[in-house]
Amino acid sequence: DQQVKQNSPSLSVQEGRISILNCDYTNSMFDYFLWYKKYPAEGPTFLISISSIKDKNEDGRFTVFLNKSAKHLSLHIVPSQPGDSAVYFCAAGGGADGLTFGKGTHLIIQP
Amino acid sequence: GAVVSQHPSRVICKSGTSVKIECRSLDFQATTMFWYRQFPKQSLMLMATSNEGSKATYEQGVEKDKFLINHASLTLSTLTVTSAHPEDSSFYICSARDFRGSYEQYFGPGTRLTVT
Repeated sequence: DQQVKQNSPSLSVQEGRISILNCDYTNSMFDYFLWYKKYPAEGPTFLISISSIKDKNEDGRFTVFLNKSAKHLSLHIVPSQPGDSAVYFCAAGGGADGLTFGKGTHLIIQP
Repeated sequence: GAVVSQHPSRVICKSGTSVKIECRSLDFQATTMFWYRQFPKQSLMLMATSNEGSKATYEQGVEKDKFLINHASLTLSTLTVTSAHPEDSSFYICSARDFRGSYEQYFGPGTRLTVT
């Protein structure tokens, strides 16, 4: 049973436009969510997080939106840059537990 | 800040041997470290939670006698893959949480284990 789902394996966006990556979850006990960027054979790099008591968190070009009623969160990157091309993982956690990851979305920024 | 290192970055070993992987938090203290495994083109799967000074907690399906975890200090956790088999070949990644209570986890660069 997949508790964190990223239904788009890949996404192609033109440079300068907005990239929107989506994530759905099923476990209502999760109380924080994180987005990571990852390259092959490297560890994930933390991008941005959001607590379940908030609905938006912004950091530079990255904004995460949380819709608890829909159990949905999204990561917005604007403007998209070539260096943003990577696999993006949505992750969720609760308390002191480890994270549950989605399967990732491969973001490709086209010039 | 929040840098986590892993050593070695890659290792090749023969079936039946044991391999130790180290995970260090370089600029913060981590009461809790986590070990994940990633198979090709799949997501990261949590293997175990390592708490400083106590026994590790393993996820369902992970053999605690095969994957030995030691968290001897606030900056070091080790994972030992014992009696390695080819099916243990994978990418092992550790993460650490700052002891001051933030829920954010910072990941090491990973270790590529190949068992021949």
